Amino acid sequence: GAGVSQSPSNKVTEKGKDVELRCDPISGHTALYWYRQSLGQGLEFLIYFQGNSAPDKSGLPSDRFSAERTGGSVSTLTIQRTQQEDSAVYLCASSLARAGTEAFFGQGTRLTVV
Amino acid sequence: GESVGLHLPTLSVQEGDNSIINCAYSNSASDYFIWYKQESGKGPQFIIDIRSNMDKRQGQRVTVLLNKTVKHLSLQIAATQPGDSAVYFCAEKTSYDKVIFGPGTSLSVIP
Repeated sequence: GAGVSQSPSNKVTEKGKDVELRCDPISGHTALYWYRQSLGQGLEFLIYFQGNSAPDKSGLPSDRFSAERTGGSVSTLTIQRTQQEDSAVYLCASSLARAGTEAFFGQGTRLTVV
Repeated sequence: GESVGLHLPTLSVQEGDNSIINCAYSNSASDYFIWYKQESGKGPQFIIDIRSNMDKRQGQRVTVLLNKTVKHLSLQIAATQPGDSAVYFCAEKTSYDKVIFGPGTSLSVIP
């Protein structure tokens, strides 16, 4: 596709359930980011994939959060045993090169934990 | 997770006036400083960046100023229009590392 695609756009889940959020980056982009944005706030870094390098997981808030990037393309962010404080918009972005400053963002997945 | 702000400061400007949005950054080793614009319900969109060895860069209606002495970055928008209403985020990056976003500023343009 032409841009970064995220699915689902909205997800409502019950507390304690696991969720998977998907990101399809722009074809050929080697860098992929996940951020979390709570209502009316800034972007919290979660995880960064760059090519075949080991991902930078330093932003993951707990061991309930994990992410994979298969074949250098699609990424899945998994949240296990969801809690109400996990409710937020989860944004994925990709960029062309390691030194690239222009990250292209998807529309985000709005996660609501009830 | 790394950085981001608590409550967003708000800047209100009259349509046609110039806007100045400020940001303080933390990492002296950053190679790039970047501004993003986020409209309601959308992901952030790249506006302009500046390398750490520059102090000014101009784009279309926007100018970014970098003061490394006091670790300060600003975005100037000329002749602000209603379509400029959004949240603006500064960000920083080292060449081979992740983009880290700073606190946002909500810009409201009064017609």
